[in-house]
Amino acid sequence: GIQVEQSPPDLILQEGANSTLRCNFSDSVNNLQWFHQNPWGQLINLFYIPSGTKQNGRLSATTVATERYSLLYISSSQTTDSGVYFCAVGIVDMRFGAGTRLTVKP
Amino acid sequence: NAGVTQTPKFRVLKTGQSMTLLCAQDMNHEYMYWYRQDPGMGLRLIHYSVGEGTTAKGEVPDGYNVSRLKKQNFLLGLESAAPSQTSVYFCASSFNHGGPNQPQHFGDGTRLSIL
Repeated sequence: GIQVEQSPPDLILQEGANSTLRCNFSDSVNNLQWFHQNPWGQLINLFYIPSGTKQNGRLSATTVATERYSLLYISSSQTTDSGVYFCAVGIVDMRFGAGTRLTVKP
Repeated sequence: NAGVTQTPKFRVLKTGQSMTLLCAQDMNHEYMYWYRQDPGMGLRLIHYSVGEGTTAKGEVPDGYNVSRLKKQNFLLGLESAAPSQTSVYFCASSFNHGGPNQPQHFGDGTRLSIL
């Protein structure tokens, strides 16, 4: 099956810093999503982005499908951004990466 | 709207016991999914359903059974629980097979420990 790798596995930032999270996938995909799992374990959809670039407030994402990677940008990070960020590929049978654990310190 | 509700939120079982996890959604979604999440890993799909009365295997189906007798409910059963099934279980639903306006909506999870 398709392999999904995320980097870095852990990231610690000071509040206000910017960060880039990466997701590589081993085969062509027609669906890619980014999720945030907050410290309480809840999963929140951030982006559906099989290709191109999208922005939502301080977050943006870019997927280059031909090169099999996606990037999630977080600007001016806040403590509420802490948690684990997952990318997932596929439609019904979604495959998740192992996640990037982000800690934003005040 | 409640969205996706999972019952129970926590459960401790002994090896060999059986139990059923309930997922209920009030969004009239066709598709429903069961995932498990182990420490340091992303979610892995156990089983899913594309409509009432249907079920299909996902990535890690062994040791689990599911049923979708009603559109709004998706049940996950463990017939003989094993310590390897200790995990956090998430249910999700989507209107269709997913897409920009049809994301999967997740429940808050069930933390299951098997001793």
